[in-house]
Amino acid sequence: GDSVTQMEGPVTLSEEACLTINCTYTATGYPSLFWYVQYPGEGLQLLLKATKADDKGSNKGFEATYRKETTSFHLEKGSVQVSDSAVYFCALSDFNQGGKLIFGQGTELSVKP
Amino acid sequence: NAGVTQTPKFQVLKTGQSMTLQCAQDMNHNSMYWYRQDPGMGLRLIYYSASEGTTDKGEVPNGYNVSRLNKREFSLRLESAAPSQTSVYFCASSATPTGELFFGEGSRLTVL
Repeated sequence: GDSVTQMEGPVTLSEEACLTINCTYTATGYPSLFWYVQYPGEGLQLLLKATKADDKGSNKGFEATYRKETTSFHLEKGSVQVSDSAVYFCALSDFNQGGKLIFGQGTELSVKP
Repeated sequence: NAGVTQTPKFQVLKTGQSMTLQCAQDMNHNSMYWYRQDPGMGLRLIYYSASEGTTDKGEVPNGYNVSRLNKREFSLRLESAAPSQTSVYFCASSATPTGELFFGEGSRLTVL
């Protein structure tokens, strides 16, 4: 079945450092890909998405490019802030599988001043 | 600006007790979902309702039942709670089955 694998955390960075969180997926069809973020004590919220190969999703300085050839959707940010501390979830939605979101295990990011 | 509202936010149960988690959304969404979140395992889908009047099992449905009461409300019931059901439960909704999910703040359940 479809699945999502993320790099394990926690990830600890200093403010203004570069961030990459790796995400790879397995899917039988042509899924849409998402990054969700969960701030402490809150529910998840959509950060960005891409619906087809080579699409780039971006929001709040974060970017991710849908790479079909490597089945990847890595999350990147050039300069992180303390306020970016959160848990980040990669997810896919495959219409051929009913469109339900399948999540990776989450990666906790902690940014120190 | 409520979005998705879950109650209760915290609950402690003893093994064998029953309880219902309530979820309501005010965005006129068709699809609603219940997930559980466990450390190192991400979110796993328990049940979902693609539209009013329909419900389907997700990845981990055993020990749970759901009711789509109307378009707004989707409840999750534990008939006989077990320690393995200790988790954080999230309700979510979306306009369509493939659309963006909007999540509630979560309900933390502990089963002793």
